[in-house]
Amino acid sequence: EAGVVQSPRYKIIEKKQPVAFWCNPISGHNTLYWYLQNLGQGPELLIRYENEEAVDDSQLPKDRFSAERLKGVDSTLKIQPAELGDSAVYLCASSPGQGRSGNTIYFGEGSWLTVV
Amino acid sequence: AQTVTQSQPEMSVQEAETVTLSCTYDTSENNYYLFWYKQPPSRQMILVIRQEAYKQQNATENRFSVNFQKAAKSFSLKISDSQLGDTAMYFCAFISFQGGSEKLVFGKGMKLTVNP
Repeated sequence: EAGVVQSPRYKIIEKKQPVAFWCNPISGHNTLYWYLQNLGQGPELLIRYENEEAVDDSQLPKDRFSAERLKGVDSTLKIQPAELGDSAVYLCASSPGQGRSGNTIYFGEGSWLTVV
Repeated sequence: AQTVTQSQPEMSVQEAETVTLSCTYDTSENNYYLFWYKQPPSRQMILVIRQEAYKQQNATENRFSVNFQKAAKSFSLKISDSQLGDTAMYFCAFISFQGGSEKLVFGKGMKLTVNP
């Protein structure tokens, strides 16, 4: 069974440029997450989808970040314009459950962003 | 606030020895789930072990076991017969349901090095 797939793995862009990350969750997983991981820190939730609905986007900086999961399967996270402080790893994850399920969350390999 | 604390930023152990990684957490929830994730240099978060808070029995997965002390809000990971491949960052995490949002909250992580 394929795991969570993310692309690109690595991206270097100049500040003020846009960037987009794509994620395909494990087949059948209803819940999709985007996490931000800064160097030396644990991941922090940016947004959580249940099917195509963003049920928690309270931590997403909406002035420059946007996300979509139009058909409830794959998802795209966009940053426009990128700032130097956005340099981090962007992790996508998925889980099979909804609500208070406590199901294990499975992660992709992450997209490493460097803004110069 | 839902928090996870990993007080040891870094540890090293000799191959074949046993090591214990500590973790404490704070939550007002009575039912929750606890996890240990491993993150090698590739950056992919890999589930090591999962514990359901309502279960008193400590979870075990091969060489990995936990000591779950619910009253003390402590969740330590024991790695027996350490192997070189265990070298990685280890993150303690729990799923919080506070405010109706299911969120995986991570500690800052601990770097484990297994020496030959």
